[in-house]
Amino acid sequence: EPEVTQTPSHQVTQMGQEVILRCVPISNHLYFYWYRQILGQKVEFLVSFYNNEISEKSEIFDDQFSVERPDGSNFTLKIRSTKLEDSAMYFCASEERASYNSPLHFGNGTRLTVT
Amino acid sequence: AQTVTQSQPEMSVQEAETVTLSCTYDTSESDYYLFWYKQPPSRQMILVIRQEAYKQQNATENRFSVNFQKAAKSFSLKISDSQLGDAAMYFCAYIHQGAQKLVFGQGTRLTINP
Repeated sequence: EPEVTQTPSHQVTQMGQEVILRCVPISNHLYFYWYRQILGQKVEFLVSFYNNEISEKSEIFDDQFSVERPDGSNFTLKIRSTKLEDSAMYFCASEERASYNSPLHFGNGTRLTVT
Repeated sequence: AQTVTQSQPEMSVQEAETVTLSCTYDTSESDYYLFWYKQPPSRQMILVIRQEAYKQQNATENRFSVNFQKAAKSFSLKISDSQLGDAAMYFCAYIHQGAQKLVFGQGTRLTINP
């Protein structure tokens, strides 16, 4: 069964550095998402992306964050200047169409540690 | 704002027994969907079961079933004949019609005792 793939599985970076988290959604999917989960807390929505543009973003998704689909297969989340509080698991998800009967497929996540 | 609450941080059950995980939610919307996701140690979030709010019949998927009480805004997950592979974090989630973001509960860690 096709899967959403995220790399790296664990990223350690210093505060103030830029990080790019990579995701390869399932190939025929059109809708893409990033969620994050701070250790011990809820999974939180960050952003949704469709037709090469952001369709919705949360309050968390400030100017430090950006998303891109540079080559039609990868879907990336960039954090320009990381803060300690950005340490979390970041999950990419994709779905074929925006339907609640269309299951949302999640990747295994990237654990980001900001020191 | 919509919220989802899972009041049981941890649950444990003997293998082959039945366990129920609780979830309540708060919304003023009438048209919405509820989900249970499983997150095993591999970390991938896997959809377990889905319920449409307009359906009165409780969803079932093999050993997994829900008790959807719309008036009480309650959406519990029952796992029958628990298996060792059911051990995971379970997240209850909500989305209303027209929205794009899932709202998750805090999660319940389920342990299966052999």
